[in-house]
Amino acid sequence: AQKITQTQPGMFVQEKEAVTLDCTYDTSDQSYGLFWYKQPSSGEMIFLIYQGSYDEQNATEGRYSLNFQKARKSANLVISASQLGDSAMYFCAMREGGRTGNQFYFGTGTSLTVIP
Amino acid sequence: DSGVTQTPKHLITATGQRVTLRCSPRSGDLSVYWYQQSLDQGLQFLIQYYNGEERAKGNILERFSAQQFPDLHSELNLSSLELGDSALYFCASSVIGGTEAFFGQGTRLTVV
Repeated sequence: AQKITQTQPGMFVQEKEAVTLDCTYDTSDQSYGLFWYKQPSSGEMIFLIYQGSYDEQNATEGRYSLNFQKARKSANLVISASQLGDSAMYFCAMREGGRTGNQFYFGTGTSLTVIP
Repeated sequence: DSGVTQTPKHLITATGQRVTLRCSPRSGDLSVYWYQQSLDQGLQFLIQYYNGEERAKGNILERFSAQQFPDLHSELNLSSLELGDSALYFCASSVIGGTEAFFGQGTRLTVV
């Protein structure tokens, strides 16, 4: 089974509108972390936001928030007030427990296009 | 700037050749991860090192090998290169007990 599933290959959003990028995950660990990364056309992977499995509140970082629904095993990224510079690939990732860290599992990504 | 440095940024080589990709992690990060990103395979985990020791292995081909040196920099060696090895190779690092991993800018390998 896929560890991370992103079902939206491509999304479009109007500038200044909000957009939600979907992500579901699969793990039997109690301790895990969920991440979103942005990959612009230049290729680098930019860390956006992190949610720990024990965190009770949804993570927020500026215009990014993570809608964490543990029972549903979903970790959707919400981008508010979209900007043209938000056009990029977005990857959801998960790392399962352990203090020393384990590998990150990545989804297949969602291509977001912001329309002026 | 993530603080993770990868060299070279671009590499073009012929089939059958061998190349070495280098990664310098962020200062203080003990874990180094290598990922391969190709168009048809997405981001594939290759291997992880922690403080010089191999910690986890993913879908890494036998033609590929890696190591992490005492100064914590890491090298990924790719040999007997094939056209299908053309991809973006990322290195990432994280601290002990840390959360996110920080990625380098990647090395774009083109095998011709």
